[in-house]
Amino acid sequence: DVKVTQSSRYLVKRTGEKVFLECVQDMDHENMFWYRQDPGLGLRLIYFSYDVKMKEKGDIPEGYSVSREKKERFSLILESASTNQTSMYLCASSLRDSFSGNTIYFGEGSWLTVV
Amino acid sequence: DAKTTQPNSMESNEEEPVHLPCNHSTISGTDYIHWYRQLPSQGPEYVIHGLTSNVNNRMASLAIAEDRKSSTLILHRATLRDAAVYYCILRDFIIQGAQKLVFGQGTRLTINP
Repeated sequence: DVKVTQSSRYLVKRTGEKVFLECVQDMDHENMFWYRQDPGLGLRLIYFSYDVKMKEKGDIPEGYSVSREKKERFSLILESASTNQTSMYLCASSLRDSFSGNTIYFGEGSWLTVV
Repeated sequence: DAKTTQPNSMESNEEEPVHLPCNHSTISGTDYIHWYRQLPSQGPEYVIHGLTSNVNNRMASLAIAEDRKSSTLILHRATLRDAAVYYCILRDFIIQGAQKLVFGQGTRLTINP
């Protein structure tokens, strides 16, 4: 079975802290994604990576950075957490896309509360 | 971003078929239609996708209108485990070799015992 594993299911952090959200996939996928999900706003793409050390900004990259040092691992970093970053964060991965678009596999999500 | 329109919510009974509609009037000729669903407290999961003709898999069927401006996801016999938010998505290219899913609000499906 394919698996995308997010290291923390629930986190509570203080404003101004540096936060790391880790994601690992075991499917040898080239593409990895970070989304956040908020009520009424749906899922929004933060960052995307298509290869090791390669990254592209998504729709809402402000306040976030990412790291992809190994193919299987994609980390989301909140340099200085703020309360408006309280959200559920979803990691996902897929093969390099075919014309029709490959299936994207999601992790279970990480619920982050910034106080 | 290409847009889709779905009803906010639908309700059905267990073991009955469910038809979830989606409108995508601005679809281009090369856009595939993807469906994902999100169970409570989980990440989204793939359901099915298609281009022009109807598609079937073990989870569902996808009926695509001839003009491709609408489609319907069909769950043949709904179970309580099918209660979820269902998303109809047209995928957008980010760069060559990568597409992103642009999620709308989806349809929240409730299944009554």
